[in-house]
Amino acid sequence: NAGVMQNPRHLVRRRGQEARLRCSPMKGHSHVYWYRQLPEEGLKFMVYLQKENIIDESGMPKERFSAEFPKEGPSILRIQQVVRGDSAAYFCASSATQLAATDTQYFGPGTRLTVL
Amino acid sequence: AQTVTQSQPEMSVQEAETVTLSCTYDTSESNYYLFWYKQPPSRQMILVIRQEAYKQQNATENRFSVNFQKAAKSFSLKISDSQLGDTAMYFCAFFYNQGGKLIFGQGTELSVKP
Repeated sequence: NAGVMQNPRHLVRRRGQEARLRCSPMKGHSHVYWYRQLPEEGLKFMVYLQKENIIDESGMPKERFSAEFPKEGPSILRIQQVVRGDSAAYFCASSATQLAATDTQYFGPGTRLTVL
Repeated sequence: AQTVTQSQPEMSVQEAETVTLSCTYDTSESNYYLFWYKQPPSRQMILVIRQEAYKQQNATENRFSVNFQKAAKSFSLKISDSQLGDTAMYFCAFFYNQGGKLIFGQGTELSVKP
């Protein structure tokens, strides 16, 4: 059973460009979470999605950031007009259900975004 | 609001010895879950162990065990017989059902020395 897949693993963008990060959850998982890890810090929650729905986006910056999880295909985290402060590792996690009683969030390898 | 605090930025231990990593949290929730994740130099986040708050028995996974003190809101990780492969960043995390998200501490960087 393949784990959570993220691509690209490394992404370099110049200031003002767009960054698109992709996440394919584990087979059978319909819940996706995005986290951001700034240098020397822990992971911070950004957004929680189910298929075609955003459940919780309380951690998303109000501007330039958006996320989607379409009925078909991977979840996409989009950052428009990137700035140097967006440089970070972006992790995706997935779970089969929301309830942690019988489930766990499994993490992908992350995408390291560098903004020049 | 829920918070997770790891007060030890760095720790080191000799190979084969035992080390304990500390974690405290703050919440008004009664039903929640606690986790320890390991992040080696590869940056992959790996689940080490989990604890359900309603269970009084401390969780164990091979060489890894926790000391869960619910009243004190403390959740420490003990690594026995430390191995070089245990060298990594360790994150404590909190989850509650209505939250949907993991809340992480700042991390403890553990170095296992030969």
